[in-house]
Amino acid sequence: AQTVTQSQPEMSVQEAETVTLSCTYDTSENNYYLFWYKQPPSRQMILVIRQEAYKQQNATENRFSVNFQKAAKSFSLKISDSQLGDTAMYFCAFMKPNSGYALNFGKGTSLLVTP
Amino acid sequence: DTGVSQDPRHKITKRGQNVTFRCDPISEHNRLYWYRQTLGQGPEFLTYFQNEAQLEKSRLLSDRFSAERPKGSFSTLEIQRTEQGDSAMYLCASSPPTAQETQYFGPGTRLLVL
Repeated sequence: AQTVTQSQPEMSVQEAETVTLSCTYDTSENNYYLFWYKQPPSRQMILVIRQEAYKQQNATENRFSVNFQKAAKSFSLKISDSQLGDTAMYFCAFMKPNSGYALNFGKGTSLLVTP
Repeated sequence: DTGVSQDPRHKITKRGQNVTFRCDPISEHNRLYWYRQTLGQGPEFLTYFQNEAQLEKSRLLSDRFSAERPKGSFSTLEIQRTEQGDSAMYLCASSPPTAQETQYFGPGTRLLVL
């Protein structure tokens, strides 16, 4: 089974600063997807960014970017120019396409953006 | 497109009672997933459907749990003889045939078993 580890239970960052959330995973697969999902307080899970393992180029979505290190099995999320609305739980998730596309989540990192 | 909807949003029940939750996926999404999220944890996969067929069930899905998607549209998740350990957020997600790897989540149903 794949395991996803998020070693930072809580983090905080000041508005407009940059923060990096860590994620490592364990798999013997070569073909898979990695995701970061955001879950604001009392609101639903939203996809932030995704990465296909076969792509060497790191994914970017506006202020969100990832550092995908396949050999190290590391998948960190960088949030630039942090905004108050970025306050949320952030979950790293792994998916094997041949397992029905079920997501395997980490325990999450609670991010607080302060003024 | 109104997104994935779930009903009810909150449910309080007494131990031993049966409960049923409903999920309406995004229109034209052929895959539908159920997850369970307990406090302080990430969601855990329970089961998924492709159209009306239930293709995979997690070992977390005990025999007290049953899920259906009779016409390949909405889905129901029933828990029989609820236990306090069933208290959790039950999340539904759906994905389109053109991007099976991208799941869109509903707001969840929060269950409290007293």
